[in-house]
Amino acid sequence: GENVEQHPSTLSVQEGDSAVIKCTYSDSASNYFPWYKQELGKRPQLIIDIRSNVGEKKDQRIAVTLNKTAKHFSLHITETQPEDSAVYFCAASKASGRIQGAQKLVFGQGTRLTINP
Amino acid sequence: DSGVTQTPKHLITATGQRVTLRCSPRSGDLSVYWYQQSLDQGLQFLIQYYNGEERAKGNILERFSAQQFPDLHSELNLSSLELGDSALYFCASSVGGQSYNSPLHFGNGTRLTVT
Repeated sequence: GENVEQHPSTLSVQEGDSAVIKCTYSDSASNYFPWYKQELGKRPQLIIDIRSNVGEKKDQRIAVTLNKTAKHFSLHITETQPEDSAVYFCAASKASGRIQGAQKLVFGQGTRLTINP
Repeated sequence: DSGVTQTPKHLITATGQRVTLRCSPRSGDLSVYWYQQSLDQGLQFLIQYYNGEERAKGNILERFSAQQFPDLHSELNLSSLELGDSALYFCASSVGGQSYNSPLHFGNGTRLTVT
């Protein structure tokens, strides 16, 4: 089955600097890669996602890149702000052509991002 | 608010007991997912249902079972509870059923404490 590895486990950056979180996946058939942000005691919230037919996607200060050949994808946050402090999770899944509606979204272990003022 | 409703918010019970967690998906979503998050841990996939049928299974213990009802709400049953089952249990929903994967929207979770 799919396995997603995420690095680093903790990341501390100065406010205004950039943060990069990297993930690798094992199943070459995976084609959907979302990123979730989870604040302390809250639910995970989708911040951006990318599909395998796209190499890069950007939404304001957040961008995600995908390298299908190397089976890795990354989250880039620019001009970091204190409210960016949270745990970030990457995930991967594939659409099952055999079983209608089947979707097993596998998450990485998470990165605790701290923005220092 | 994600539109996914989970009840109860908190649950405290003793070892050996059985509990039921309930989830109502967003309006229009056909897929429901259950995840377990232990303290400072990641999100462990348990099981997924689509339109009432089990569609994908993760490392769900035999003591755990789930189902999705005709009205699309889902229940996760945890029995013979152990201290290690203490965790935050999240339900998520998505449109589902398409040839491509759709985003998951998470509820606020049920915090289970086994004493």
